[in-house]
Amino acid sequence: KQEVTQIPAALSVPEGENLVLNCSFTDSAIYNLQWFRQDPGKGLTSLLLIQSSQREQTSGRLNASLDKSSGRSTLYIAASQPGDSATYLCAVRGNNNDMRFGAGTRLTVKP
Amino acid sequence: DAGVIQSPRHEVTEMGQEVTLRCKPISGHNSLFWYRQTMMRGLELLIYFNNNVPIDDSGMPEDRFSAKMPNASFSTLKIQPSEPRDSAVYFCASRTGTGFNTGELFFGEGSRLTVL
Repeated sequence: KQEVTQIPAALSVPEGENLVLNCSFTDSAIYNLQWFRQDPGKGLTSLLLIQSSQREQTSGRLNASLDKSSGRSTLYIAASQPGDSATYLCAVRGNNNDMRFGAGTRLTVKP
Repeated sequence: DAGVIQSPRHEVTEMGQEVTLRCKPISGHNSLFWYRQTMMRGLELLIYFNNNVPIDDSGMPEDRFSAKMPNASFSTLKIQPSEPRDSAVYFCASRTGTGFNTGELFFGEGSRLTVL
C-alpha cells in the first residue's frame, strides 16, 4: 500500500522568504501527483497537478517538481506572503486509480 | 460549474442514529472519492468509484459504513448505526479520466459530522 510522507509537519517563516515543502512516497509506480492547499475549516483546493511523465509544473509563485524514481516531490513557494498560511497536502495517484494523501505541512507566514 | 456539492454541511446526531451524506460530483467527472478527515488520522480514503462502480472499499472502517452511486451525478455515504468515533469531516471529490492521464481532483466543502 502506498505511503505518503510530508516533512516538515509544520513550518513558520517570515514574510518574503522562499520555502520548500517536501513530499515522499514509497511506491514509485504513480500516475500523477497533486498538491493541495487547505485553509482551516475548508475543503481542499488544487494547486498543481504533475503527470508522471512531467518533471515540474509552475503556477505563479508556486513550482512543484517530481522525481518519480526517487519517490519525491517538492513544492517551492517564492516570496511567501501571510495569505499563503495554510496546510499544504500532496497526494499521489497509483496505477489502480486511487489517491493517497500525506498528513500535510502546516505553513505559517508571519508579517 | 458549481463544483462538487456536498450536503449537509453540518450534522449533529445522537449515537445509534442513521446518517446519510450526499455528494453531487462535477458534471462529466467519472471518478468519485469519499474521504474522512480527523486530526488524529488525517485524510483517509474510504471508497472510490469509477463510472459509478465501486472499485476499492478497503478503507471503509466497518460494516456500519456503506456507499452507493446510483448514477453519474449522485453518491451517498451512509453510517448506520452511528457512533461518537465517527465524528469527522467527510469529503467527497471527483475528477475526469480513469486511464493513464487523469485530471485534477476537486473537493467539496465537506460534511462535518458530530455524533453525541
